[in-house]
Amino acid sequence: AQSVAQPEDQVNVAEGNPLTVKCTYSVSGNPYLFWYVQYPNRGLQFLLKYITGDNLVKGSYGFEAEFNKSQTSFHLKKPSALVSDSALYFCAVSLPRRALTFGSGTRLQVQP
Amino acid sequence: DTAVSQTPKYLVTQMGNDKSIKCEQNLGHDTMYWYKQDSKKFLKIMFSYNNKELIINETVPNRFSPKSPDKAHLNLHINSLELGDSAVYFCASSQELLKNTEAFFGQGTRLTVV
Repeated sequence: AQSVAQPEDQVNVAEGNPLTVKCTYSVSGNPYLFWYVQYPNRGLQFLLKYITGDNLVKGSYGFEAEFNKSQTSFHLKKPSALVSDSALYFCAVSLPRRALTFGSGTRLQVQP
Repeated sequence: DTAVSQTPKYLVTQMGNDKSIKCEQNLGHDTMYWYKQDSKKFLKIMFSYNNKELIINETVPNRFSPKSPDKAHLNLHINSLELGDSAVYFCASSQELLKNTEAFFGQGTRLTVV
């Protein structure tokens, strides 16, 4: 079984400040981890993924995420938030030959 | 160039009707999926096809029947629609399920059953 938890429904941050969106996972095996972003009335867009290798993964639009095996976490981060980053963010996990299992989503609100 | 396209974008229909949603991808991917996003934005896998073969079928009522005429298309047919079927349905594709490459999503079909 595989599951993902995003403990925060919403994260508020001021423009220019660093942001963190939290994600923890539970799988029996080595996970593949993903972050997606959804803008209003749009489909999901891929941001970044961790498969293996370096624990710090860099992705689109200046986002990065750190894989922490001991804490089973894969938090999304950005050093300086933009108002245009405001959207719904989904963490997802999968195992080989399994479809993605998504978290419940975290709404990021960046205030000017 | 639209990578994963779904039609229609919006679908309003009465209870008991039968409807279909079409999906096409031009990425040359082997694997396609249908996801359902409910009113609380929770996303759940419904089906996955790899090279026209059904490989994932989650606990979905048999009123839902996917059809893949070729690996670039995965359509979703829903019989006897119910109010609880109202949701946004997303089609997605990925290069190969075994390699767990990232999935590309369509813009979604908002289904409203009245």
